Amino acid sequence: RKEVEQDPGPFNVPEGATVAFNCTYSNSASQSFFWYRQDCRKEPKLLMSVYSSGNEDGRFTAQLNRASQYISLLIRDSKLSDSATYLCVVGWTGGGADGLTFGKGTHLIIQP
Amino acid sequence: EAEVAQSPRYKITEKSQAVAFWCDPISGHATLYWYRQILGQGPELLVQFQDESVVDDSQLPKDRFSAERLKGVDSTLKIQPAELGDSAMYLCASSFAAPDTQYFGPGTRLTVL
Repeated sequence: RKEVEQDPGPFNVPEGATVAFNCTYSNSASQSFFWYRQDCRKEPKLLMSVYSSGNEDGRFTAQLNRASQYISLLIRDSKLSDSATYLCVVGWTGGGADGLTFGKGTHLIIQP
Repeated sequence: EAEVAQSPRYKITEKSQAVAFWCDPISGHATLYWYRQILGQGPELLVQFQDESVVDDSQLPKDRFSAERLKGVDSTLKIQPAELGDSAMYLCASSFAAPDTQYFGPGTRLTVL
């Protein structure tokens, strides 16, 4: 079974702080990694892909550790608008069904 | 910007009734997914299509759920009969190919009374 595990939180963080959360995955053959953001009662939207060398998009930094099978998301200078659920997503190919497995999400609350 | 379309956005039905949801993926996306998301959980894959063919329906409750994508473009997910436990958000997503980035539609929120 392909599993993706996340701390559900909630993480309560003051505005302007830095927050980080990790996600672990069980399938060592996983090949693609993403962070999605989901606002309450809305659809998930791609936040960023995660590359082997790590990547940054503005205040967001994502990193991949294949040896330990986890990915991380770091948010700097957090804004009130960052409050959302962050879904860790892992993809694989092979076995007849290629696809993505979603974690249950980490709930982030930025407090003024 | 191209989007995944879904309808209806909301559906309220009584148990034992039949319901159907429709999805139109982004043009050119060969892979289409139906997910079910219960509040507080991540999306769970119900069925995956590659063009008109089902690639994975291992988590689809086939006694009551059915899905089709006859021409390899839009898709319909049906539940018959609906049960109370089917109340959830039903999300459709598409991608150019698996396991590329998936783009989600706005979802259909189903309430079964």
